[in-house]
Parts: sequence; C-alpha cells; structure tokens
Amino acid sequence: KQEVTQIPAALSVPEGENLVLNCSFTDSAIYNLQWFRQDPGKGLTSLLLIQSSQREQTSGRLNASLDKSSGRSTLYIAASQPGDSATYLCAVRHWGSGGYNKLIFGAGTRLAVHP
Amino acid sequence: SQTIHQWPATLVQPVGSPLSLECTVEGTSNPNLYWYRQAAGRGLQLLFYSVGIGQISSEVPQNLSASRPQDRQFILSSKKLLLSDSGFYLCAWRWGRGTEEQYFGPGTRLTVT
Repeated sequence: KQEVTQIPAALSVPEGENLVLNCSFTDSAIYNLQWFRQDPGKGLTSLLLIQSSQREQTSGRLNASLDKSSGRSTLYIAASQPGDSATYLCAVRHWGSGGYNKLIFGAGTRLAVHP
Repeated sequence: SQTIHQWPATLVQPVGSPLSLECTVEGTSNPNLYWYRQAAGRGLQLLFYSVGIGQISSEVPQNLSASRPQDRQFILSSKKLLLSDSGFYLCAWRWGRGTEEQYFGPGTRLTVT
C-alpha cells in the first residue's frame, strides 16, 4: 500500500530564508509526483509536476526534485516571502486497487513566513 | 483555458437531510473527474472517480453517491447525511488516462449539525 509522508508538519520562518520541504513515499512504482499549494479554505493549486523519468522541475522560485529509487522528493523555495504562507501538499500517482491510477496525498506541510 | 467550478461554496445541513454538490468543468471534453474529501486534520481522501458519462468508480463504502449526467458535470449526493460527512469536498479533473497533471476546484465546505 502506497503511503506518503511529509516532514515537517509545520514550519515558521522569517522572510527571505531558503526552505526545503520533504516528501517520502513507500512504493517507488509511481507514474509521477505533483506538488500542490493550498491556502486556508481554498482548493489546491498545482505547483509542479515531475514525471517518474525526470529528476527535477523548476518554476520561478520553486524547484522540486525526485529520487524515485529512494522514495523521496523535496520542494525547494528560494527567498521565501509572506505570500508563500500556505499548506504544501505532495501527491504521487500510483496504480490503485480499483484498476486505475490515482493520486495518493501526504498530510501536508503548513508553512508560515513572517515579515 | 480550462476552469472548474463547484457550488455551493459553503453548506450547513442537519443530520439526516439530503445532499447535492455540483462540479462542472469548462474548456475541455471527456475529462476524468474526481471527488475528494478533506476532513479536519486529515489528508485528502478519494471518494469517486469517473472516466465518462454514467461511469463511476467508488473508492470507499459510505452513504455518499456520485453521478455524471453530462460529460463535464459531476454530482455528489447523499440521501441522509451523517455527522461524519462534515468536511471540505473537492472536485478535480484530469485529461487523459496517463500521467497528466490534475487540477482542483475551489471546494465546498460542508458542516453537518
């Protein structure tokens, strides 16, 4: 059974710091990994998608890496800003028991960036 | 561009009452559609998955049901709500059957009293 774990559960940092959020998964047989951002009371916004054959993806100040063999991904946020405050969710696309692939989510890392 | 809508945004319903949540997608055809629930302090749980009109797969047994009467419309229903049905319900879509990116709607906050 695929399980996704995110560490830390919560993080509070001053503005300007570079951050690393961690995601691990138990079964390396994944199709891809997707990082999302969720603001309080809102839906999920897709940040980055890394296919299983890729090692990393970058978008602006965000960089996500994937080491499929070790079951790990990291989301790197450069020069953090108060607007980055949100919950960050990691999800892996995995073949489910229902005969189709599906996203398995971690519990998220709640990030607070203070001025 | 594609957009996904959910309504209502918030809902307060008494135990035992019926439920109907609606999700629609614009700007694409034949999407895969999903219903998730996010309970307080817990991760996202996949409830239902649909690959086409009238085709629904259920992930977990529960008193909820889903229907897809039109290509870009997905409805989550219940005949009698339980307290445990409270949560944040998210609809999502994805194009294709492979490894494409998945996109989420704004969600519906349901409180069962």
